[in-house]
Formats: sequence, structure tokens, C-alpha cells
Amino acid sequence: AQSVAQPEDQVNVAEGNPLTVKCTYSVSGNPYLFWYVQYPNRGLQFLLKYITGDNLVKGSYGFEAEFNKSQTSFHLKKPSALVSDSALYFCAVCPHNTDKLIFGTGTRLQVFP
Amino acid sequence: DVKVTQSSRYLVKRTGEKVFLECVQDMDHENMFWYRQDPGLGLRLIYFSYDVKMKEKGDIPEGYSVSREKKERFSLILESASTNQTSMYLCASSQPRRGSYNSPLHFGNGTRLTVT
Repeated sequence: AQSVAQPEDQVNVAEGNPLTVKCTYSVSGNPYLFWYVQYPNRGLQFLLKYITGDNLVKGSYGFEAEFNKSQTSFHLKKPSALVSDSALYFCAVCPHNTDKLIFGTGTRLQVFP
Repeated sequence: DVKVTQSSRYLVKRTGEKVFLECVQDMDHENMFWYRQDPGLGLRLIYFSYDVKMKEKGDIPEGYSVSREKKERFSLILESASTNQTSMYLCASSQPRRGSYNSPLHFGNGTRLTVT
């Protein structure tokens, strides 16, 4: 079965420190990969996507993600966390030649001052 | 910017009631989606639509139906609400089909439905 795993329910990091939110996937073929962020009482907002090309993808708000085909991972990263980055983050996979996104269960990021 | 508007922010309904959740998008997107979001389960796709009067079942369609009479509007219908349908419901839209498999979804702010 095709799936997306976000192994951490919550990630805590101090402001100014680097952050990583993990995502692994199990999908046949070459999928398209996405990260979305959800702030309190809001819908999801698109952060970045990987389609093809460079394994390091840059997105909104200083976030980036690294695609690793051999490890089937797409971890979200930021060099220096801000308190305002505190939110719920979702990894999503779109299997090639389909229109449906498969979402992970989400990781709550808490950045402490 | 794309705007996806969900008509209600909060709804409280009784078991057995028929419930309509409305969603409107203003960017002429052909694709529209309904998800439900539950803690620990992430987002699960209920129904989606690629065009007017067209609909396809997602992963959890049981107990739901949809209507797409106009391109900009996609309605989710709970024919007889049950307590296990208490959830956050999110509507989304995306670009036309040819590019939709790598086009980002644009989400509304959600409707939190409580069924008592």
C-alpha cells in the first residue's frame, strides 16, 4: 500500500537552532513530494514541492527540503528556527500519473524562545 | 491569490440531520477536493471532482455525498449525520487536470463540525 510516514508527532526546538521535520514514503515509481503547513484555525498552506532535478528544494519562509531517493525520504529543514514557525506540518506524496495526494499524519513543531 | 471560502467556520448538528458544507473557489480551478482532518490520522480524502457534475470517491466516502453544479462550488453532504462524523472538514482546489498532479492544493480555512 502507498503511504507516507511522519515518525514524530512533535518536534521541539529552540529559536535560532536548526530544525528538521522527518518524512518517509512508500510509493511505487517516482512520486511528487510536497510539504504543507497549518497554522492554528487555518487551512493548509503550500510550502514547497519536489518534482524532479536538484535534490534540495527551497520553499517559502526560508524552509527547504531534501529528497533522498535511496532512503525514500523528504525531510523538511530550516537553518534557524523562529517562534512564528510553530505550527502543524504535513508531508504529502502524489504518486506519478495520479491526481490524489496522500498525506502524512502531521508533525507539530514547537519553537521555544 | 487563490481564495477558497468555506461557508461556515463552526457547525453543531444533531444526529440524523442532513448537513451541507459549502465551498467556493475564485480562480477557475477545475479540481476540487473534500478532506477530513482528525488528530493522529492526518488528512483523508472523502470525494473529489475534476469538472462540473463530475465526482469521484476518495478513500473514505461512506456516509457522504457531493454536488458540483457550478465550477466554482463544491458541496459536501452528510445525508444523516452521525457522531463519528465530528471532525474538521477542509475543502481544496487546484489547477486544471493536465497539471494537477504537481500543482499545489489551495485550502479553505476549514469547517469544524460537531455532531451531538
